[in-house]
Amino acid sequence: GENVEQHPSTLSVQEGDSAVIKCTYSDSASNYFPWYKQELGKRPQLIIDIRSNVGEKKDQRIAVTLNKTAKHFSLHITETQPEDSAVYFCAANTNSNTGKLIFGQGTTLQVKP
Amino acid sequence: EPEVTQTPSHQVTQMGQEVILRCVPISNHLYFYWYRQILGQKVEFLVSFYNNEISEKSEIFDDQFSVERPDGSNFTLKIRSTKLEDSAMYFCASTRAGRGETQYFGPGTRLLVL
Repeated sequence: GENVEQHPSTLSVQEGDSAVIKCTYSDSASNYFPWYKQELGKRPQLIIDIRSNVGEKKDQRIAVTLNKTAKHFSLHITETQPEDSAVYFCAANTNSNTGKLIFGQGTTLQVKP
Repeated sequence: EPEVTQTPSHQVTQMGQEVILRCVPISNHLYFYWYRQILGQKVEFLVSFYNNEISEKSEIFDDQFSVERPDGSNFTLKIRSTKLEDSAMYFCASTRAGRGETQYFGPGTRLLVL
């Protein structure tokens, strides 16, 4: 069935280091892959997304890469800052035209000052 | 910048009671969604709604759940007879078009069933 696996579940880095979160998806028809950041008790906020017609997208310190063949996509955060600490969710759409998203299990990122 | 809004922010109810969660999607959006997130777990799709009807629903969305767009702005999720396991954060989301478009999430309603 439709599934998105996300690793690691927790990640602790020193301020200034890079953080990488990886996801795999099962539906070969998926063509849209957003990443959401969720701070405690708040709504998921879209931070970056990628569509299947590109392999990489960057926005300042954040980048996402996509390997369609392997059904992998990853989030890369460089020069991490304490305010990057949050739960990060990857997601993928499905073959359905409704646009529903299937989410990964989430990664709790802790950036230590 | 327009945002999805939800009310109430918190709701406490007794098991077996009906609850209605309300959402106001972004005004020019056409697709609406409800997701839920049990504490500490991932976000799960419940239902999508387009053109005044359900377009897709998950296994979680059983006969106890219903959605409605009673007017041009509100989008509601009703749980007829709440169970303890319905306790979760419920997020509404909307998007301009369907597949492949950015989904914007509301702030959520935290539902606690006692």
